[in-house]
Amino acid sequence: KAGVTQTPRYLIKTRGQQVTLSCSPISGHRSVSWYQQTPGQGLQFLFEYFSETQRNKGNFPGRFSGRQFSNSRSEMNVSTLELGDSALYLCASSLNTGTLYYEQYFGPGTRLTVT
Amino acid sequence: GQQLNQSPQSMFIQEGEDVSMNCTSSSIFNTWLWYKQDPGEGPVLLIALYKAGELTSNGRLTAQFGITRKDSFLNISASIPSDVGIYFCAGHSTGGGADGLTFGKGTHLIIQP
Repeated sequence: KAGVTQTPRYLIKTRGQQVTLSCSPISGHRSVSWYQQTPGQGLQFLFEYFSETQRNKGNFPGRFSGRQFSNSRSEMNVSTLELGDSALYLCASSLNTGTLYYEQYFGPGTRLTVT
Repeated sequence: GQQLNQSPQSMFIQEGEDVSMNCTSSSIFNTWLWYKQDPGEGPVLLIALYKAGELTSNGRLTAQFGITRKDSFLNISASIPSDVGIYFCAGHSTGGGADGLTFGKGTHLIIQP
């Protein structure tokens, strides 16, 4: 079974621009979560989508948004990029079945650099 | 928000040695997970724990869910070069708030030849 895939793997953007990142979950996984990883703050939860609806949200500003499609694929968008948004953005998928929900499987991430 | 204190931050060990690391929280967690991350890759799930006192093994790795539900431990026996990487604990708290996983800052394992 194929793992979580994320595109693109690397991205360089300029401050003020916006960016869209894509994630395809493991087949059969309908819950998709997004995390930001930085050296200073570590891994931080952004939001989670299930059945095309945002179900949970972390403590990030409204510039960070996402969506999920009917095939469970997900995208996240960051508008008005700031230098501090430079990070590895990780997508994780899981089954929405009891405790298996917490067993999240990560993709390789998208390395975003804002200049 | 919830925080997980993971220690040690880094470990320098000899190949063949056993490794121990732990994670503590001020909140009660109902789920503990351990992940390993290699450079340029996403975290890989190693072990998931769901019950206080639970002890679970995955090959040379053994993890325990602390009986207070505020801590977890990971042991690696007879370390080998491919064990090098960053190990993260993660958990889900019953204390409300965002429903994503909370991660520790990681333990960087370095194996000296």
